[in-house]
Amino acid sequence: AQSVTQLDSQVPVFEEAPVELRCNYSSSVSVYLFWYVQYPNQGLQLLLKYLSGSTLVESINGFEAEFNKSQTSFHLRKPSVHISDTAEYFCAVSELGGGSQGNLIFGKGTKLSVKP
Amino acid sequence: DAGITQSPRHKVTETGTPVTLRCHQTENHRYMYWYRQDPGHGLRLIHYSYGVKDTDKGEVSDGYSVSRSKTEDFLLTLESATSSQTSVYFCAISPDLTGAHEQYFGPGTRLTVT
Repeated sequence: AQSVTQLDSQVPVFEEAPVELRCNYSSSVSVYLFWYVQYPNQGLQLLLKYLSGSTLVESINGFEAEFNKSQTSFHLRKPSVHISDTAEYFCAVSELGGGSQGNLIFGKGTKLSVKP
Repeated sequence: DAGITQSPRHKVTETGTPVTLRCHQTENHRYMYWYRQDPGHGLRLIHYSYGVKDTDKGEVSDGYSVSRSKTEDFLLTLESATSSQTSVYFCAISPDLTGAHEQYFGPGTRLTVT
């Protein structure tokens, strides 16, 4: 992947409101797509991934993301957020057939702040 | 959680001193990575390894070296630390069974170079 763009560096929302965190990528080949979450002072945790098949993928805590090939996007959504969702979210991409390194390209992150 | 530990978790060192950070995994995964995380830059790849004694450079490798003598350990060395290397360093591992290279991260090491 040439690049990954997370369009919003910070997203403040109120508890129980819906949220969308946007991610666009550029690549000339097929890709695998990931969302990671980082809680304060912790490492990154894999939230969900698109490898193949259904373009809509879900996490166990209510997040979902949809792969849109024509728009080269993989936006993350949740219909109703909780205070505990406050964290930084990273979108990442690896390219199909990316060679021995298969490196992930990360966006710069979106800080989600959920307010009561 | 994937079995990844990093040591030390925090370190303060002086400019010009050598520093070695250790990443240890219990998953027997083939691929290991070192990243640094800085505000406004997200995660940037420093070096990675695709097997014992097989390593390569990432995006920001200047000033860093790595070694992998065993599957479970991946060492990152700053030969002569500089203030610009103050950062949070993350190790990641990947089994690459699917070719997608999904990665699992350690808890991080916060390094301060004074």
